Amino acid sequence: DTGVSQDPRHKITKRGQNVTFRCDPISEHNRLYWYRQTLGQGPEFLTYFQNEAQLEKSRLLSDRFSAERPKGSFSTLEIQRTEQGDSAMYLCASSKRTGGNYNEQFFGPGTRLTVL
Amino acid sequence: SQQGEEDPQALSIQEGENATMNCSYKTSINNLQWYRQNSGRGLVHLILIRSNEREKHSGRLRVTLDTSKKSSSLLITASRAADTASYFCATLMDTGRRALTFGSGTRLQVQP
Repeated sequence: DTGVSQDPRHKITKRGQNVTFRCDPISEHNRLYWYRQTLGQGPEFLTYFQNEAQLEKSRLLSDRFSAERPKGSFSTLEIQRTEQGDSAMYLCASSKRTGGNYNEQFFGPGTRLTVL
Repeated sequence: SQQGEEDPQALSIQEGENATMNCSYKTSINNLQWYRQNSGRGLVHLILIRSNEREKHSGRLRVTLDTSKKSSSLLITASRAADTASYFCATLMDTGRRALTFGSGTRLQVQP
């Protein structure tokens, strides 16, 4: 257990439905990242926050995806009008500045989304 | 898109043997990290090597970095069945981008 929690762990939904995932990072970590991982591949970056500010978004993050971190603590990732291609593991990670650098990222267990 | 490739894609060895995994990347990096992922779980950070370092050790792990060849290797010595997992290299690019870029991973199976 890295200290990063995600909820739910599994989500099955029908195509066209909206889903929302939550991530609770390690409390003193001011950076929070979302990644997506499909079977047999490494994680791919979606977006990251420094405190409550969303500082970078991947072009993988289509208009149907939105992420928030309203108080600089937990974050939510919402997918609207889900498609079968959205089926993946959604990973959250957090990090803090150590010695002037952000290095190690601590990952949560992930939310596995299946879109039927 | 993935930053680089890992080689081999899959590796099966006997307990007690050493396992070597290689990673290649494409752009200048600030650091390179190795992560481990057990099946269906999150990733766990193993070791980080900075662009100005050539070799680093942590317990049974040894990482090398060759920036001229844009490649790294991870050696696990005296492997155990519990080392069975997928191993990913991840790079932090030198461009100011803050997110890690992962390779496609090596799936290691250690037979007891």
